[in-house]
Amino acid sequence: SQTIHQWPATLVQPVGSPLSLECTVEGTSNPNLYWYRQAAGRGLQLLFYSVGIGQISSEVPQNLSASRPQDRQFILSSKKLLLSDSGFYLCAWNEAGTGGTSGNTIYFGEGSWLTVV
Amino acid sequence: GNSVTQMEGPVTLSEEAFLTINCTYTATGYPSLFWYVQYPGEGLQLLLKATKADDKGSNKGFEATYRKETTSFHLEKGSVQVSDSAVYFCALTPSGGYQKVTFGIGTKLQVIP
Repeated sequence: SQTIHQWPATLVQPVGSPLSLECTVEGTSNPNLYWYRQAAGRGLQLLFYSVGIGQISSEVPQNLSASRPQDRQFILSSKKLLLSDSGFYLCAWNEAGTGGTSGNTIYFGEGSWLTVV
Repeated sequence: GNSVTQMEGPVTLSEEAFLTINCTYTATGYPSLFWYVQYPGEGLQLLLKATKADDKGSNKGFEATYRKETTSFHLEKGSVQVSDSAVYFCALTPSGGYQKVTFGIGTKLQVIP
């Protein structure tokens, strides 16, 4: 069966420090991968998605970047964190393909709480 | 583009009350529709889904019917429990091409004993 893991689960970082959140998926090949952010009391904001190794699309301009060095590994980074980067970050995946009527379910990791102080 | 609209809440109900959370969508073709649940401090879990018109998704006593004519996918449960307190997200994936998911804003449900 497929599993998704992200870490760390919680971190507190000072303003201006770097960030690295990592996500891995097991049990599938060539998945679509996503990073979402959920600010307190708000909905989900798609930050990045990837359809393959080295292929990253950014949904919103921001202080963050993403990389996909391996097929099932997705990394969210920042060189210098801002206070506004605080939030709950979720990695997710679904199967590649056209979908049709198969209902392409997206699966989420456990989430990472980031507090920038 | 695609969009999902749902009530923001919070929705507060007494235990054993009937629950309805409305969800309507805008999309071309025949998208697949989903409800996800997020318990406090956790990631999102798939609750149920429907892939074509008139399909009914169900799980853990929750149900939702894919209504093409009204572009809706309302979530219902006949008798809520305190353990159902969570945030519920309605979502869709388009019927063709790249499978990027569109989420609603999420509805917070609080069930009181």
